[in-house]
Amino acid sequence: GENVEQHPSTLSVQEGDSAVIKCTYSDSASNYFPWYKQELGKRPQLIIDIRSNVGEKKDQRIAVTLNKTAKHFSLHITETQPEDSAVYFCAASLSSGNTGKLIFGQGTTLQVKP
Amino acid sequence: ETGVTQSPTHLIKTRGQQVTLRCSSQSGHNTVSWYQQALGQGPQFIFQYYREEENGRGNFPPRFSGLQFPNYSSELNVNALELDDSALYLCASSSTGGEKLFFGSGTQLSVL
Repeated sequence: GENVEQHPSTLSVQEGDSAVIKCTYSDSASNYFPWYKQELGKRPQLIIDIRSNVGEKKDQRIAVTLNKTAKHFSLHITETQPEDSAVYFCAASLSSGNTGKLIFGQGTTLQVKP
Repeated sequence: ETGVTQSPTHLIKTRGQQVTLRCSSQSGHNTVSWYQQALGQGPQFIFQYYREEENGRGNFPPRFSGLQFPNYSSELNVNALELDDSALYLCASSSTGGEKLFFGSGTQLSVL
């Protein structure tokens, strides 16, 4: 079945360093790839997303890259700050056209040390 | 603009009981999706409702059922609760054809 694998499961960086989280997906028909940030006890919040017709997207300190051929996509956070500490989830759409139906990765716990 | 709201926030049930969780979608959104998030895991897709009909279902048994009302709010019903049903249940809304999901804060269900 469809699957999204996310690595690493935990990531610890010093404030100001960069953080990279990687995901692979199995369904070649997936065409939408969002990233969510979930702070402890709070709702997942969409931080950035990318569609399959785009290779890279940037929004201030965060960027996402997509390699459709390899079925890989990654989240890059530059100049990390303590408030970036949270669990990050990648997701892929459940085949093309199935809006709102996502397969999530297992999550990466990011800790930014001051 | 009103965000996605869910009730109750916490719920404790015993095995075999039934539970109903409620969700109000964000204003302007007509599609509601439900997800189950076990501790330390990513959310898992349960099903989606659009125009009061089920529009896709994940790998969940029939004892998980739902409803959507004309005002786009939705309910998730779980019958014959099992211990493994203990999880955070998230509701997310989106607009027609919209890919972006906006999540509620969830209902934490504990089955004892």
